Amino acid sequence: SYELTQPPSVSVSPGQTARITCSGDALPKQYAYWYQQKPGQAPVLVIYKDSERPSGIPERFSGSSSGTTVTLTISGVQAEDEADYYCQSADSSGTSVVFGGGTKLTVL
Amino acid sequence: EVQLVQSGAEVKKPGESLRISCKGSGYSFTSYWISWVRQMPGKGLEWMGRIDPSDSYTNYSPSFQGHVTISADKSISTAYLQWSSLKASDTAMYYCARHVGEWSDARGWFDPWGQGTLVTVSS
Repeated sequence: SYELTQPPSVSVSPGQTARITCSGDALPKQYAYWYQQKPGQAPVLVIYKDSERPSGIPERFSGSSSGTTVTLTISGVQAEDEADYYCQSADSSGTSVVFGGGTKLTVL
Repeated sequence: EVQLVQSGAEVKKPGESLRISCKGSGYSFTSYWISWVRQMPGKGLEWMGRIDPSDSYTNYSPSFQGHVTISADKSISTAYLQWSSLKASDTAMYYCARHVGEWSDARGWFDPWGQGTLVTVSS
């Protein structure tokens, strides 16, 4: 079955830039989406269609795509950004939804 | 405001049946698919399947096909996830989410999400 691969953890200091990657063979032909999940809360959409930001999401959140890898970038990381981040896409046929394993962002 | 409100936490015994719900408001319920997502304790998100509330057409992940049933009642803007015989391994948080996008297949994103329903299965 199709898989999306994320690093288990990323650590940055406040004010620095965090980059979280997500790799998958179908990403050149399927959009990717990113969610933030804080402890005890439901996931929240932060990026859709690779690089679009929903209303209400801070400008420091951005997304990009290159080949089989998509990247969530958080510029000027703040303590409140500490959370789990999940990428999501579809398989090459568009039949099934797939989530990455998640990345825990730690703000040092 | 677009909202999905899920039913409350459940504690069940192995072998029991269960149905949890997800009520949509603030939008046309029949215009968007509803998906269900499982999150086992300390683990990641897993897509279970989805339903088109306009005609109750369903699409399941192969991992969950045959283990759960997704249904909807468009007259009350509510989607359901049900089990006929629970197992301890069904213990998890379950989220519903509105499936957004211009496609009719599994492409698209989830926004918003319900608050989650915690299901605990223990003897």
